[in-house]
Amino acid sequence: GQNIDQPTEMTATEGAIVQINCTYQTSGFNGLFWYQQHAGEAPTFLSYNVLDGLEEKGRFSSFLSRSKGYSYLLLKELQMKDSASYLCAVPIMIYNQGGKLIFGQGTELSVKP
Amino acid sequence: DAGVTQSPTHLIKTRGQQVTLRCSPKSGHDTVSWYQQALGQGPQFIFQYYEEEERQRGNFPDRFSGHQFPNYSSELNVNALLLGDSALYLCASSGNLGGVKNIQYFGAGTRLSVL
Repeated sequence: GQNIDQPTEMTATEGAIVQINCTYQTSGFNGLFWYQQHAGEAPTFLSYNVLDGLEEKGRFSSFLSRSKGYSYLLLKELQMKDSASYLCAVPIMIYNQGGKLIFGQGTELSVKP
Repeated sequence: DAGVTQSPTHLIKTRGQQVTLRCSPKSGHDTVSWYQQALGQGPQFIFQYYEEEERQRGNFPDRFSGHQFPNYSSELNVNALLLGDSALYLCASSGNLGGVKNIQYFGAGTRLSVL
């Protein structure tokens, strides 16, 4: 089976750095996705990691450790607009084609002035 | 380039009724997946369609059914609605060449309320 854990809520201050953790247990590993979802809106793709290490993309970076079943999303220079839910997801192969996403419950990030 | 579009945006139904939700995938995408997202939870996989066939199904009862049309658009049907079916229903589209690495792009969803 699959299990994905994230903290439910986090609070941070504008301009600061925040790290959102995600631990996973899956039978087989095909990478890990991070999505951002503002209230009432579509989840939007942030990053995909399949190899160990840190990948930086502007103010957002994502880290993966396959041996530890662990990933984190790092947000730098926080802005008020970063207040959103951050979803960690792992893809599961379907008949060697495509994949379905298994999501964690999401981390609700509140950025305060 | 239009992204994934879903209709309607909101829907109110009563218990026992039936509902149809619609999704048009992003241009160039041929695979459509449907997810149910309860308040405060992550999305849960319902099923995926490719080449007009259901490729795999999540842990949802047969009351949930779907269809994919030749133009790759898709419908989600839910029969005999229950109060617990109240949720945000998300459609995601993707290409098919990259396997599990394909990024799924989501629509804004349909908010279904069952009274």
